[in-house]
Amino acid sequence: DAGVIQSPRHEVTEMGQEVTLRCKPISGHDYLFWYRQTMMRGLELLIYFNNNVPIDDSGMPEDRFSAKMPNASFSTLKIQPSEPRDSAVYFCASSAGARYGYTFGSGTRLTVV
Amino acid sequence: RKEVEQDPGPFNVPEGATVAFNCTYSNSASQSFFWYRQDCRKEPKLLMSVYSSGNEDGRFTAQLNRASQYISLLIRDSKLSDSATYLCVVNFGSQGNLIFGKGTKLSVKP
Repeated sequence: DAGVIQSPRHEVTEMGQEVTLRCKPISGHDYLFWYRQTMMRGLELLIYFNNNVPIDDSGMPEDRFSAKMPNASFSTLKIQPSEPRDSAVYFCASSAGARYGYTFGSGTRLTVV
Repeated sequence: RKEVEQDPGPFNVPEGATVAFNCTYSNSASQSFFWYRQDCRKEPKLLMSVYSSGNEDGRFTAQLNRASQYISLLIRDSKLSDSATYLCVVNFGSQGNLIFGKGTKLSVKP
């Protein structure tokens, strides 16, 4: 299994631009999570899906952030418009259930200038 | 009270030392517990699950104390390669979301 695959690995964009992060979960995992990590705030859960349905998006910072999961093998996190304070590492993780733990992708390091 | 609390460290120890980390959690209904390891600029990776009876994996021992709501990780005979941040992880709520602590940084010196 290739694990959780995220793209791009790095993204540098200008303030105001749209940014799209992509994730392919492990096949057979019913749960998909988007996290953001910064030095100050640690790992923050943004949103998670169960069977492609968004279950909890209370961690999404504001309307500029949106996430979709059109099928079991693909999810996107979009930021529009991006701001410098969005600079962080964004991780996608998938799981077969909480008791099995989560498997993380390598992350996308986003820099908004 | 924070949901999952850890001492941020850093813990600076010499090679061969034994080091222990503790973590407290606030939800007495939690059922799943883990330790994750995160290397600098890498993703968190599952180190081990923590079972009620305690469990051991080589040099690593994890313990759970439900009455006091804390879990621990003991690393014996520390290696340079153990240098990383160790994240305490606990499930919360009926959905079983995992909540991550902010991590304890370990630095093993020669």
